[in-house]
Amino acid sequence: GAVVSQHPSRVICKSGTSVKIECRSLDFQATTMFWYRQFPKQSLMLMATSNEGSKATYEQGVEKDKFLINHASLTLSTLTVTSAHPEDSSFYICSAIEAGELFFGEGSRLTVL
Amino acid sequence: DAKTTQPPSMDCAEGRAANLPCNHSTISGNEYVYWYRQIHSQGPQYIIHGLKNNETNEMASLIITEDRKSSTLILPHATLRDTAVYYCIVRAPNSGGSNYKLTFGKGTLLTVNP
Repeated sequence: GAVVSQHPSRVICKSGTSVKIECRSLDFQATTMFWYRQFPKQSLMLMATSNEGSKATYEQGVEKDKFLINHASLTLSTLTVTSAHPEDSSFYICSAIEAGELFFGEGSRLTVL
Repeated sequence: DAKTTQPPSMDCAEGRAANLPCNHSTISGNEYVYWYRQIHSQGPQYIIHGLKNNETNEMASLIITEDRKSSTLILPHATLRDTAVYYCIVRAPNSGGSNYKLTFGKGTLLTVNP
C-alpha cells in the first residue's frame, strides 16, 4: 500500500514554544491530507483537512491560529502547534488519500513540559 | 456517516480465530463498511472493506449480514501481533474529499493471549 511518513515520531518541547510536525506521502501525490489528534486511551479525533495550495478546513472547536497547517506541495503537509501548552500533549496522526483509499502515517507523539 | 457500535474489548487465544462484531443499524444503502486497526502508539492500518458481499484478503475476512445492519471481522489465526484496537467505520463512496473524513468510535481492544 501507499506510504505516509511523519516526522518526528516523538518530540518534547517546553511550554510556550512552537513545534512543527511533517506528513509526507512518499510514493504518491496527495492533494488532500487529514490531521487527527489522539489523547491517551481515547479514539482519533479529526482536527482539520489539509488542501494543497489552499487553506485548511478546521473541525469545530479546533483553533486554526494555534494549529497552523501548510500544504505547500503535493507530497508534504505540516502541522505547527504554536505556543504549545501541556494540554496539547497528544498523539498527532496524518492521513492521505491514494487510489481512493486512506493511508495513515505512523503518528507523532508530542509532549509539552 | 452512520454510527457504529462495537464491544469495548475482547480476548482471543493465539492461533484461534478472532471474530469482532460491529453493529451499524443506520447504515445507508451506498455506505461501505471499513475496518482499520491501531497497534499501540502507531497510526491506523487499513484491513478490509465491503459493501454487501463478504470479502476476504490476506489479513482478514469480512462478513456482512444480508440486511447490512451488522458485520463481523474475522482474523482466522490470531497471533500476538494482532493485539490492537480494531475500528469499524461506515462511510459513503469516494465521491469527494468529505467522504474521507473518517469518524472513529472507540473500537474494540482485541487482546491475543499466548
